[in-house]
Amino acid sequence: DIQMTQSPSTLSASVGDRVTITCRASQTIDDWLAWYQQKPGKAPKLLIYKASTLESGVPSRFSGSGFGTEFTLTISSLQPVDFATYYCQQYQTYAYAFGQGTKLEIK
Amino acid sequence: QVQLQESGPGLVKPSGTLSLTCSVSGDSITNNNWWAWVRQPPGKGLEWIGEVYQFGYTNWNPSLRSRATMSADRSKNQVFLKLTSVTAADTAVYYCARSRIMADRGVGLDYWGQGALVTVSS
Repeated sequence: DIQMTQSPSTLSASVGDRVTITCRASQTIDDWLAWYQQKPGKAPKLLIYKASTLESGVPSRFSGSGFGTEFTLTISSLQPVDFATYYCQQYQTYAYAFGQGTKLEIK
Repeated sequence: QVQLQESGPGLVKPSGTLSLTCSVSGDSITNNNWWAWVRQPPGKGLEWIGEVYQFGYTNWNPSLRSRATMSADRSKNQVFLKLTSVTAADTAVYYCARSRIMADRGVGLDYWGQGALVTVSS
């Protein structure tokens, strides 16, 4: 099975900051990676698929990059609504594992 | 607007069977998408359970394969999950979600239900 590891597990930042979350795969997944945002008590929301394609309706301050085993999600200027937990998910091989999550907190 | 709604018992006894239904509106499960189940234990991360296609084809998380069944009813536009021999470790919010297909490959879960909390307890 492919394992997905996110870092950091928790990130403290301020409104307006630029933040980056990293996701590493235990073996190459090409660009078969999705990113999700989840707020407490809510279902996850798809932000990015195919590592760098922004889902329709997602603000352009979100961007994704990477190929192979290392990927990043960047938020260019944090907004209050962005404080949430973020998950990556690989789509290369079953089972489509998620990372353990990164909680983005207000500093 | 695509909407998914999970339904089923909120409490299951240990060693019993968890049964959930996902009712889909705004899309037909006969379209070219897979329908996935994901669970999230309280306070923990997401676990992909598996996915089902309209004709009953399935893909599984090996850790759950021996206890789980997924199916689809095209006439009712519903998909189903059954998990047998449940324990407290199966207590979680269970989500159904649409797996978007592009060029015959899944790329992400683009529509989600609101989730159904299932507690395993006597």
